[in-house]
Amino acid sequence: GAGVSQSPRYKVAKRGQDVALRCDPISGHVSLFWYQQALGQGPEFLTYFQNEAQLDKSGLPSDRFFAERPEGSVSTLKIQRTQQEDSAVYLCASSLASAGWTGELFFGEGSRLTVL
Amino acid sequence: GQQLNQSPQSMFIQEGEDVSMNCTSSSIFNTWLWYKQDPGEGPVLLIALYKAGELTSNGRLTAQFGITRKDSFLNISASIPSDVGIYFCAGQASDSNYQLIWGAGTKLIIKP
Repeated sequence: GAGVSQSPRYKVAKRGQDVALRCDPISGHVSLFWYQQALGQGPEFLTYFQNEAQLDKSGLPSDRFFAERPEGSVSTLKIQRTQQEDSAVYLCASSLASAGWTGELFFGEGSRLTVL
Repeated sequence: GQQLNQSPQSMFIQEGEDVSMNCTSSSIFNTWLWYKQDPGEGPVLLIALYKAGELTSNGRLTAQFGITRKDSFLNISASIPSDVGIYFCAGQASDSNYQLIWGAGTKLIIKP
């Protein structure tokens, strides 16, 4: 497809389980972002990639969160030992620009994580 | 840290009415963006503003970048049922060339 694709759309995990969320950005997009969106809130920045380089991971809530984009296209957000406060929608967004970024992010539909 | 205050939190309007919502920031932004999010979807960009005082339209939508660079508003004229959703403002501060700060959203509901 032409848009940003995320999987799974829905994930239910037991507390303590590890989860992996996948993002397939628009082909050729240099920049890739992960956001966390709690219910009734706006997206909160987690991490930013430019090609395969993770330039900013300051938004990752704890060392249980890890993201990678090894070949500069598909990205995976991994959460280890999930806790209830990790329950949220995880949004992936990509952008064509690197330098001189214009702010137009193309978002996927999100992965809704529920931790029981 | 930087915060955006977006208001109102929700709006109940009649079809055909005009809508106005705004965002204010505790600090100066270089870029203001307005996104719309439908249920189960990711946000979609509506309007981007890059200069203080800039007024930009996209169909029935009009947005302005405040001259103080700390606020922005979005107007929707003659609302229709498909306008229902959550509208987010987002701002880019001068100390970052990629990070966005997001408001909490304005939920637009059209009364039948």
